[in-house]
Amino acid sequence: EPEVTQTPSHQVTQMGQEVILRCVPISNHLYFYWYRQILGQKVEFLVSFYNNEISEKSEIFDDQFSVERPDGSNFTLKIRSTKLEDSAMYFCASSSNRDTLENTFGSGTRLTVV
Amino acid sequence: SQKIEQNSEALNIQEGKTATLTCNYTNYSPAYLQWYRQDPGRGPVFLLLIRENEKEKRKERLKVTFDTTLKQSLFHITASQPADSATYLCALDQAGNKLTFGGGTRVLVKP
Repeated sequence: EPEVTQTPSHQVTQMGQEVILRCVPISNHLYFYWYRQILGQKVEFLVSFYNNEISEKSEIFDDQFSVERPDGSNFTLKIRSTKLEDSAMYFCASSSNRDTLENTFGSGTRLTVV
Repeated sequence: SQKIEQNSEALNIQEGKTATLTCNYTNYSPAYLQWYRQDPGRGPVFLLLIRENEKEKRKERLKVTFDTTLKQSLFHITASQPADSATYLCALDQAGNKLTFGGGTRVLVKP
């Protein structure tokens, strides 16, 4: 069964450093998303991406964050100048069809900012 | 304000019984409602989607109902098994670009 692959599975970074979280969505999917889940809290939407541009972003997704699809397979989330409160699980998701939004999620990257 | 509420208390159930989970929402007009399963340390896994004009959807041992008047969805796991133990998340789609998740209900099926 096709999977969304995320790397690394765990990233530890110093406060103020930049991190890039990587995702390989399902190959024939067209819509891409990042969500995050702080420990013990809800899964929260960050950003959606279609046709090489951001479709929608949440209030969380401020200037500290950016997304990119540098080639035909990868989808990255960059966090500049990380803060302690950025510590969370970050999930990439993709869907083939905007209308149904049946998302396939990756296993996540656990980001720990120290 | 907008709210999506799921029972935050864990649901303990005996193997073979039916588990029923509730998702209530306020100040949303979702086009779709989806249910996901999440295991510890893993990403959500899609289970079922129900549209606003559908009352009920089934998939194997799973059944979802959607009442837009009550603003409520019920999720049933029939003939539950220990392997069904997980956290179940409901998610609303309003705008077609993002999902808004509830806090989830943990289900523990005892043999």
